[in-house]
Amino acid sequence: DAKTTQPPSMDCAEGRAANLPCNHSTISGNEYVYWYRQIHSQGPQYIIHGLKNNETNEMASLIITEDRKSSTLILPHATLRDTAVYYCIGTGANSKLTFGKGITLSVRP
Amino acid sequence: DTGVSQDPRHKITKRGQNVTFRCDPISEHNRLYWYRQTLGQGPEFLTYFQNEAQLEKSRLLSDRFSAERPKGSFSTLEIQRTEQGDSAMYLCASNIPDGPQHFGDGTRLSIL
Repeated sequence: DAKTTQPPSMDCAEGRAANLPCNHSTISGNEYVYWYRQIHSQGPQYIIHGLKNNETNEMASLIITEDRKSSTLILPHATLRDTAVYYCIGTGANSKLTFGKGITLSVRP
Repeated sequence: DTGVSQDPRHKITKRGQNVTFRCDPISEHNRLYWYRQTLGQGPEFLTYFQNEAQLEKSRLLSDRFSAERPKGSFSTLEIQRTEQGDSAMYLCASNIPDGPQHFGDGTRLSIL
């Protein structure tokens, strides 16, 4: 699994875009970047994943740099319900997930 | 699609007792994973099944822990002779090959 580095916390205003960074300089060519989030007392929720290309779904966008050493998860219009711990994970498509401590996102009214 | 279901949601037991948790994966997901999460930490991998075969076990899975998936559908995780350090959230996830893992809401175990 690739080692990932995330800041411990960040905040953003409700309605604004939240841009969550992740460094994964040791990621190998066949490892994906996965993003999960966890709200207190719930299991991790899958958000999005990608290999090389940028990805977008109904929850978020994932921007991966060309050298694949870092990525950014974008929540386009953050709401209070997006307050959670967000985990960035670099791993193979059929591998176990290795979670770090994640980044705590606080969305303020 | 009803999601991954775990039972019970909470379990309180005395030290030394045995406990068993159940996980029902998403229908047709042939891969099933168990993770453990302690307070303030991210989940840690315990073990993984493909259909009924247990293919990988973490060093965290001591001899007191055993997991089964007898018919390739639901799975059980048993902890024998529980210890204080076993207090944690036990999470189950499932996926299809090449698909993302989807998690249940876990079983929170408290050892008195």
